[in-house]
Amino acid sequence: RKEVEQDPGPFNVPEGATVAFNCTYSNSASQSFFWYRQDCRKEPKLLMSVYSSGNEDGRFTAQLNRASQYISLLIRDSKLSDSATYLCVVDPGNTGKLIFGQGTTLQVKP
Amino acid sequence: EPEVTQTPSHQVTQMGQEVILRCVPISNHLYFYWYRQILGQKVEFLVSFYNNEISEKSEIFDDQFSVERPDGSNFTLKIRSTKLEDSAMYFCASSVQSNQPQHFGDGTRLSIL
Repeated sequence: RKEVEQDPGPFNVPEGATVAFNCTYSNSASQSFFWYRQDCRKEPKLLMSVYSSGNEDGRFTAQLNRASQYISLLIRDSKLSDSATYLCVVDPGNTGKLIFGQGTTLQVKP
Repeated sequence: EPEVTQTPSHQVTQMGQEVILRCVPISNHLYFYWYRQILGQKVEFLVSFYNNEISEKSEIFDDQFSVERPDGSNFTLKIRSTKLEDSAMYFCASSVQSNQPQHFGDGTRLSIL
């Protein structure tokens, strides 16, 4: 099983749509979780940390299910500028050694 | 907003040559990292660095690789004898603590000929 697994997509959605991405991780002892976004050939940019209780930042909501080792990201009211690759990232040992998923590509169409 | 800066943005080098990639982490950050991303593949951890020593390194980070903090601001990655398969985007990152979010520089594209 891959350490961090994501559906690569692409997800093609119209503007204004709600879209959800999922991610699973293999190390049940993992403590820190993040979503990053990456535009083509650019650096990963932190979107949000993921907390056990779930957290929201504007149109973005992240959820963590430790029992199922599953992380999700929900984007509401999609904008054209949301088009990017969304990276699920896990720090299994809280040491700063980030393990990245392959990424899920989102294309928002007018 | 403070940011991690990397130079050069693109480095072209002959196979077998040494290359040094440079990074200036965010000034109040204590933990520094290097990652690489081969074209079309996922981002991979190379090494973490704290208190002037390596904290952790991956299998990729073999004897050809080294890191250094030569002064109070720079953090460098050296590849001693480059191979074709070292061609990738190299990202530097830094964080306040090891369990806090990491902020990435905009990367150095390394092309080995």
